[in-house]
Amino acid sequence: EAGVTQFPSHSVIEKGQTVTLRCDPISGHDNLYWYRRVMGKEIKFLLHFVKESKQDESGMPNNRFLAERTGGTYSTLKVQPAELEDSGVYFCASSQQHYQPQHFGDGTRLSIL
Amino acid sequence: GQNIDQPTEMTATEGAIVQINCTYQTSGFNGLFWYQQHAGEAPTFLSYNVLDGLEEKGRFSSFLSRSKGYSYLLLKELQMKDSASYLCAVTHLGQNFVFGPGTRLSVLP
Repeated sequence: EAGVTQFPSHSVIEKGQTVTLRCDPISGHDNLYWYRRVMGKEIKFLLHFVKESKQDESGMPNNRFLAERTGGTYSTLKVQPAELEDSGVYFCASSQQHYQPQHFGDGTRLSIL
Repeated sequence: GQNIDQPTEMTATEGAIVQINCTYQTSGFNGLFWYQQHAGEAPTFLSYNVLDGLEEKGRFSSFLSRSKGYSYLLLKELQMKDSASYLCAVTHLGQNFVFGPGTRLSVLP
């Protein structure tokens, strides 16, 4: 089966611009998660979808971040406008059931200049 | 929050055994996961503990003591390809995954 895929693998944008990251979870996985790893720090939870519903978005840094999962399949994470501190690696993960092992994508490395 | 502690770095020799420890806050504990992450790649699931005791999967084993808030990942017959970061992640009831800082393991010939 295909794993979790993320696009793009790298993105370099200027401060103030908009970027949209995409995640395709493993087919059939209702649970989809976004995480971020800032350089030198641990991976931090951003939010959790169950199908198309946001179950927990307590980790979202601020209202410049918007996540959607229309139709309950792929998800997008938009950052608008991007700030320097948004640089990092954004991971997506999916699982069949919550609290079960999550399968991660390779991440999108976001650099804000 | 849930403070998760792991050693920052460890070094071991090819063919040896290494134990990577992880401690966490016990209140509301639900489960503990170990992931392996090579540089620039996705974290890969290794092991999952919910109950006390040892879970063995080939060269990798993970142990959990819920009362002590303690887990370890045991890697046997180390290979060069085992050089990676090892991440401990904990779930607490009503909350999502919390990752530890990771332990960077270097396997030397």
